[in-house]
Amino acid sequence: SQTIHQWPATLVQPVGSPLSLECTVEGTSNPNLYWYRQAAGRGLQLLFYSVGIGQISSEVPQNLSASRPQDRQFILSSKKLLLSDSGFYLCAWSVAGQYTEYGYTFGSGTRLTVV
Amino acid sequence: SQQGEEDPQALSIQEGENATMNCSYKTSINNLQWYRQNSGRGLVHLILIRSNEREKHSGRLRVTLDTSKKSSSLLITASRAADTASYFCATGKTFYNQGGKLIFGQGTELSVKP
Repeated sequence: SQTIHQWPATLVQPVGSPLSLECTVEGTSNPNLYWYRQAAGRGLQLLFYSVGIGQISSEVPQNLSASRPQDRQFILSSKKLLLSDSGFYLCAWSVAGQYTEYGYTFGSGTRLTVV
Repeated sequence: SQQGEEDPQALSIQEGENATMNCSYKTSINNLQWYRQNSGRGLVHLILIRSNEREKHSGRLRVTLDTSKKSSSLLITASRAADTASYFCATGKTFYNQGGKLIFGQGTELSVKP
């Protein structure tokens, strides 16, 4: 069965420090991968998505970047965090293809607080 | 960018009652999906309805889709305290060679009181 791992669960970082959040998927090949951010009490904002190794599409210009060094690994990074980067970060995967038939499977999320 | 908008933002009902949540969207879609999120957790996929479908059932869930009005509703029948969560609609659109992307609404916070 497919599983998705996301870590760490919580993170408190000072302003200006770097960030690296990692997400890995098991039990499937060539998944579509996604990073979302959720502000408190609000919906999800799509940040990045990837349909293959090294292929990253950015939805929102910002202080963050994403990379996909391996087929089932998706990394969210920042060189210098801002206070506005605080939020709940969610990684998700879906079956590859042009049609999202089965929905997304989400990780358990990382609660990032920038202080 | 946000596309789906849920209504109401918050809903409080008694156990055993039905809960209805609505979602409106703006652009054409391939499908519409509903997700549930328990506090502080990731989202769980509940049900997907395609743009050429009008109604779909899954257990106690019933979803309708009206593409002419660009709206959908999620009905949870015989609600339980365990149904307490936030519910999000998400519209799916696929792009050639770019995979499928889901755009989420702001969610409805459902509270089911025992």
